[in-house]
Amino acid sequence: DGGITQSPKYLFRKEGQNVTLSCEQNLNHDAMYWYRQDPGQGLRLIYYSQIVNDFQKGDIAEGYSVSREKKESFPLTVTSAQKNPTAFYLCASRDGQASNQPQHFGDGTRLSIL
Amino acid sequence: GQSLEQPSEVTAVEGAIVQINCTYQTSGFYGLSWYQQHDGGAPTFLSYNALDGLEETGRFSSFLSRSDSYGYLLLQELQMKDSASYFCAIHMDSSYKLIFGSGTRLLVRP
Repeated sequence: DGGITQSPKYLFRKEGQNVTLSCEQNLNHDAMYWYRQDPGQGLRLIYYSQIVNDFQKGDIAEGYSVSREKKESFPLTVTSAQKNPTAFYLCASRDGQASNQPQHFGDGTRLSIL
Repeated sequence: GQSLEQPSEVTAVEGAIVQINCTYQTSGFYGLSWYQQHDGGAPTFLSYNALDGLEETGRFSSFLSRSDSYGYLLLQELQMKDSASYFCAIHMDSSYKLIFGSGTRLLVRP
């Protein structure tokens, strides 16, 4: 079945540690996105990538980094510079040039501080 | 900048009709989407409007007025499973970016 796989489902970070969240898609989508969701809040865009080897900052990129070396993969690293990383992280992908193509989401990763 | 406003919470009775409004301000606008998210789950796409008017998909309909920078999601024949958060989202431009509202929590009561 085609879809987006995020791992792990739950992740704990120690102070001063970098952690990497995985996002893999087999939908052959060009565009991929990372969002952060805090309790009772909407989704805020961290980074997005329209094609391989290219990505742009979203609204809250500070303290995060990404790479897009393969079309299927868009990992997100939460660095020690992100002082409040506890949140629900959602990865999404999208197909096509037409603006009416929806974003497809993974099941998310919950990150907490130890 | 961009901003979207939607009510934080709406309560309705099973079998009823409910309308969730969304107003927006943005410098670029391609269209308005709606997503549903159950607690702890992933958002799922419901509908998209690029042009003025009503789009109907089963029990759900979505409306857009570009001149008023306003849209709404209409849910008919409400079911208990419709209890979820509903987000409106702006398509900004050809960069594929979406800007999400803060969400409306819908509670359907028996």
